[in-house]
Amino acid sequence: AQTVTQSQPEMSVQEAETVTLSCTYDTSENNYYLFWYKQPPSRQMILVIRQEAYKQQNATENRFSVNFQKAAKSFSLKISDSQLGDTAMYFCAFMKGGGGADGLTFGKGTHLIIQP
Amino acid sequence: EAQVTQNPRYLITVTGKKLTVTCSQNMNHEYMSWYRQDPGLGLRQIYYSMNVEVTDKGDVPEGYKVSRKEKRNFPLILESPSPNQTSLYFCASRRRTGDNPSYGYTFGSGTRLTVV
Repeated sequence: AQTVTQSQPEMSVQEAETVTLSCTYDTSENNYYLFWYKQPPSRQMILVIRQEAYKQQNATENRFSVNFQKAAKSFSLKISDSQLGDTAMYFCAFMKGGGGADGLTFGKGTHLIIQP
Repeated sequence: EAQVTQNPRYLITVTGKKLTVTCSQNMNHEYMSWYRQDPGLGLRQIYYSMNVEVTDKGDVPEGYKVSRKEKRNFPLILESPSPNQTSLYFCASRRRTGDNPSYGYTFGSGTRLTVV
C-alpha cells in the first residue's frame, strides 16, 4: 500500500508571493502518477497539475510547477505570483500505473490562505 | 460539457433510513470511484469499479454498497446510515490505463450528507 504525507496543515502568504507546498509519498511501485488537486470553498475538486513518474522533467502549468524528486519520493507544488483565488485546500495524490482501477491515494491536505 | 454529475448536493437523513446517492458521467469512462472526505483525513476511497458489473472495495467500504449496471452510472447506497457516515462524498471517473491515464480522475461536485 502507498501513503501520501502533507506536513503543512495550513499556510498563509501575501498576494504576489511565491509559496511551496510539500508532499512526500511512500510506495514500492515504479510506475505511478502524482497529482495536485485544488479544492476552493465551492468544494469542487480541480486538477492543478500532474506528473508521470517515468518523466524526469518537472511539470509546469502556468503559475504552477512541481519539484519531483523520485529518489527522495518528494513532490512539492510551487505557486508563483500567488493570487487571492488561489486560496483553497490543496491535496497531493498518488495513483498506481498499470491496468488497475485502484483510484487515488490522497494526503490530508494543506489549507492555503492568500492574504491581500 | 464533459462532467460527473452527483445528486443530491445536500442531504440530511435519519439513522437507519436507506438512501442512494447517484453518480453519472458522460465521458464514456471505464473507471469510477467513490470517496469520502472528512476534516483532517483527506479523501479516502470507498469503492471503485473497472467496468460494468465489476466493483471492488476501497479503503473504507464498511456500511456502503455500490452497483454498476450501466457504464455511465455508479450509485452509492447506504442501507442503514449511521452518524459516523456524516461526510462529504465525491464520485470520480477516468479512462482506463492505456488511454493516457495521466489525465487522472474527473470529480463530481460532491454530496454533503448529514445523518442525525
